[in-house]
Amino acid sequence: GAVVSQHPSWVICKSGTSVKIECRSLDFQATTMFWYRQFPKQSLMLMATSNEGSKATYEQGVEKDKFLINHASLTLSTLTVTSAHPEDSSFYICSAGPGQGYEQYFGPGTRLTVT
Amino acid sequence: GQSLEQPSEVTAVEGAIVQINCTYQTSGFYGLSWYQQHDGGAPTFLSYNALDGLEETGRFSSFLSRSDSYGYLLLQELQMKDSASYFCAIGGATNKLIFGTGTLLAVQP
Repeated sequence: GAVVSQHPSWVICKSGTSVKIECRSLDFQATTMFWYRQFPKQSLMLMATSNEGSKATYEQGVEKDKFLINHASLTLSTLTVTSAHPEDSSFYICSAGPGQGYEQYFGPGTRLTVT
Repeated sequence: GQSLEQPSEVTAVEGAIVQINCTYQTSGFYGLSWYQQHDGGAPTFLSYNALDGLEETGRFSSFLSRSDSYGYLLLQELQMKDSASYFCAIGGATNKLIFGTGTLLAVQP
């Protein structure tokens, strides 16, 4: 199956700093990628749709100025958590799918801890 | 809005059959998917129903009834490695997924 990678796998940062998370499709091109957040023992919550070459589409309630998304190429999307606070600590996961299909491939996730 | 409800926890013994239900409220969707997620890992795709009825993929089967706004995942011949969280999800034209509340399956020896 298709492979999606994320980097870093975990990161610890101080409150007020910014953190960038990368999501790459390794063996296919993705015009669209998705970013999710998952708190412990909870479901995945869709944050935004990352669109190659255009602005991301954010879900209701997600602050676009806090979670900056850039999709500069067909294989890379980045999520930057700006001015991070402890409540931003979570598991961030990206997904993508080759072509128009129902099956999404997920990255291994990035565990963010804000101290 | 859209919502998908699942039982929070299910326990079963090795070798048994277990059914995980998913009831949803949505104005429209293309299909219902099921994903498995082991603790700390990435969700992996299990099954998909675009049409009403049963889809079988090895030990896993999934069912959808649009008239009842209901679906389920059936796991047969349970193995210890099946202990994980299972999520139903609905998808539309944009391929984005809205996930259900999730079910933690514990398989006991």
